[in-house]
Amino acid sequence: IAGITQAPTSQILAAGRRMTLRCTQDMRHNAMYWYRQDLGLGLRLIHYSNTAGTTGKGEVPDGYSVSRANTDDFPLTLASAVPSQTSVYFCASTIEDRDNQPQHFGDGTRLSIL
Amino acid sequence: KQEVTQIPAALSVPEGENLVLNCSFTDSAIYNLQWFRQDPGKGLTSLLLIQSSQREQTSGRLNASLDKSSGRSTLYIAASQPGDSATYLCATNRDDKIIFGKGTRLHILP
Repeated sequence: IAGITQAPTSQILAAGRRMTLRCTQDMRHNAMYWYRQDLGLGLRLIHYSNTAGTTGKGEVPDGYSVSRANTDDFPLTLASAVPSQTSVYFCASTIEDRDNQPQHFGDGTRLSIL
Repeated sequence: KQEVTQIPAALSVPEGENLVLNCSFTDSAIYNLQWFRQDPGKGLTSLLLIQSSQREQTSGRLNASLDKSSGRSTLYIAASQPGDSATYLCATNRDDKIIFGKGTRLHILP
């Protein structure tokens, strides 16, 4: 592993199902983020974590939950998927938030809710 | 609420030309501003990060400037190449939140 790994790469899911998107980084970064990217709306922050054991809400948190049990992993869970959650989801990390270090991104998960 | 705008949404230029991409933001109280590149079906790659105390950053053929007082940043690409074709996004960092522009889709014509 080098950088950020997201899984799955893509998924088609029936509405109402539960889904967890996985994100793992091997850079020992403290801060991690989840974004969704939608045509015409750009990238929007869903949830973030400044360090293991802490999480915070971003711009569009409703319908999503996250956990940060350790430094490397930051899973995003959709408890009951709805069609409006169809999007491309990106996980990102940086050494420390506000530390003027660039964010690193995974290649994304393309999620379709039917 | 911070708003980040990128104009134009799309741009096509012949290979070899120098070009400028624009980014504007409404709140100047930012920690830094980043420029990213996104290739189709891929994540974002950070190109340049300008701290709030800096005026510009350079990397190879890329130069990014920051004018906080006017709420503007530019990304200058010298001697453009077909491999520069991608979507370029700027993003401001403020209050633990990174706000992205919607990007400029750049196409370099061979």
